[in-house]
This record gives sequence, structure tokens and C-alpha cells, in this order.
Amino acid sequence: DTGVSQDPRHKITKRGQNVTFRCDPISEHNRLYWYRQTLGQGPEFLTYFQNEAQLEKSRLLSDRFSAERPKGSFSTLEIQRTEQGDSAMYLCASSSDLSGRAGDTQYFGPGTRLTVL
Amino acid sequence: AQKVTQAQTEISVVEKEDVTLDCVYETRDTTYYLFWYKQPPSGELVFLIRRNSFDEQNEISGRYSWNFQKSTSSFNFTITASQVVDSAVYFCALSERNGGFKTIFGAGTRLFVKA
Repeated sequence: DTGVSQDPRHKITKRGQNVTFRCDPISEHNRLYWYRQTLGQGPEFLTYFQNEAQLEKSRLLSDRFSAERPKGSFSTLEIQRTEQGDSAMYLCASSSDLSGRAGDTQYFGPGTRLTVL
Repeated sequence: AQKVTQAQTEISVVEKEDVTLDCVYETRDTTYYLFWYKQPPSGELVFLIRRNSFDEQNEISGRYSWNFQKSTSSFNFTITASQVVDSAVYFCALSERNGGFKTIFGAGTRLFVKA
């Protein structure tokens, strides 16, 4: 039983470039989440998918950020025109809950560490 | 509004000591869920426990135990007979039934266990 995987694990880019991260959730999980974690802080929620539908977005998710989950399986997070402030660890999590309610346990991937020069 | 406070930024103990990590939360919802996660140096968040607001029973799992007290809005985590492998950052988190699907994390407590 494989866990959540993320690719790449590390990304170094120059300011102004676009980057895309991929997340593969645990196979039977219908829910998928993206978080951002900066040094010395806890993860901050970015967005949530239930199957292929993006149901919730944080105000942290500016217009330069876009996330997709086209077939309800893997997800991508794209950052356009990166800024130095985007440097962080981007975490993906997945969970399985058919009740429609919040509060289920999320299982996290290893993260993608982004450095914007 | 949701909020999770972990007042202890760093704790250092010697192996075999007991250590308690504090967590205080704020919520207006009557139904909510509390979590603890461990983040070792490798970076991956590891789930430890989930507790719903209607279950105030304390829980013990091996050397780990959790004390949930609604009266003080606290959900503290104790490691008994700490080991070097317990060195990590520990996060307390809160999810509300009616607060959307986001989970709010505290800033974390970094635990150093010295041999």
C-alpha cells in the first residue's frame, strides 16, 4: 500500500519562471489537499479537491496559483511568474471520506521544496 | 475563528525523560476534530492521532498519551521515556465540522531528545 507521492522533491527556479508540481494520492482516496509550509511554521491550507472538483480555495491562493485534478486521481499545482516569497515546502495530502463531512484524517506526502532565486 | 496555539517553540530533554507538548485551540463549532502529527527531519508529516470533540477520553498508545480537556480547550501530548528517535517537530491541528475542509495547524514544537 503506497502512500502519497510528490514530484519533484526539490525545485530551484528563477524569479518569474513557472513551475508545476505533481501529487499522486493514496489510490482509493477521493479527497486531496494542498498546503504550503514555510520555515518554522505549520502547514497552511491552500486548496481542497473532492474527486475532480475543487471545492475550497484559501485566500493564500493568489491568481498566480492554479491547481487541477482532472480525472480525480493525481493533482497538479502550478505557480506562474514565481516570486521569492513563493519559496516554501508544498505539501499534498489525501483522505477518504464518503460522508461529505469535514474532519477526516489526512495523510501527507513528502513535499516539494521550492526555492525561488 | 479557528486557531491553534503551541506555545512551546522548542523543548530539549535527555533520553528517558517524560515530556509534554501543549496545544490550546479556539473554535466556535460544537463539532470539531483535533490531530497530532510528527514531522521528522526527513520532512514528511506522520499522522499520530485524531480525536473528535465528543470523545474526551484520554488515549494511550505505547509511549504516547493524549489528554483532551474541553474545559480548557487543550489537547496535550505526552511522550513517556523519550528516545532519540522522538526528535522531531510535532504539530497540533484542528478541523471544524462547519468550517470547510481546511485543517488549521499550530506553529509546531521542536523536540530535541539527547542521548
